[in-house]
Amino acid sequence: QQQVKQSPQSLIVQKGGISIINCAYENTAFDYFPWYQQFPGKGPALLIAIRPDVSEKKEGRFTISFNKSAKQFSLHIMDSQPGDSATYFCAASPGTYKYIFGTGTRLKVLA
Amino acid sequence: NAGVTQTPKFQVLKTGQSMTLQCAQDMNHEYMSWYRQDPGMGLRLIHYSVGAGITDQGEVPNGYNVSRSTTEDFPLRLLSAAPSQTSVYFCASSYVNTGELFFGEGSRLTVL
Repeated sequence: QQQVKQSPQSLIVQKGGISIINCAYENTAFDYFPWYQQFPGKGPALLIAIRPDVSEKKEGRFTISFNKSAKQFSLHIMDSQPGDSATYFCAASPGTYKYIFGTGTRLKVLA
Repeated sequence: NAGVTQTPKFQVLKTGQSMTLQCAQDMNHEYMSWYRQDPGMGLRLIHYSVGAGITDQGEVPNGYNVSRSTTEDFPLRLLSAAPSQTSVYFCASSYVNTGELFFGEGSRLTVL
């Protein structure tokens, strides 16, 4: 099964709070897990990515946590800002292309 | 540095009409792909290519054709448009050996 399940569908967070988006996958052949950020009217852009040989990757306020045994990974946005308001997609790939994307999470950060 | 360029940005078609969505990239990427984005369904892969002359189907290929005659261009053809093809279409490219997909800004298609 090639699905990647993403939750929640939408998320509202106060400025300065933590935003958490979760994804689960089924195919154990997946070995690359990126997160993409999309602003209205624009194409998605790579935010951060992880491979299963590490359990966590942090870039600034954005952290991916990866649980290989549970086949789950999540995006944490610390100190969320109104400028982080966007749609976030998780994805998985068995190589470095031909991604399977999650259904997206629309994040709104209130000022 | 243009990146991935898609044309047109907006298009309205009548059922049964045909059209081609254009995609060009100037980064010498081997991999190019087409996705459609629908509310609540995320990004679904239509077709992809790993080099000139090589194409393959993704998750939702029915009703679409592609070809790859050059490294730079990867057009998506709708031969007989249907209302179910109303969507936003994204072209994306990358090097085969790296993970970052570069997306165009999308083409919004409405089929009446």
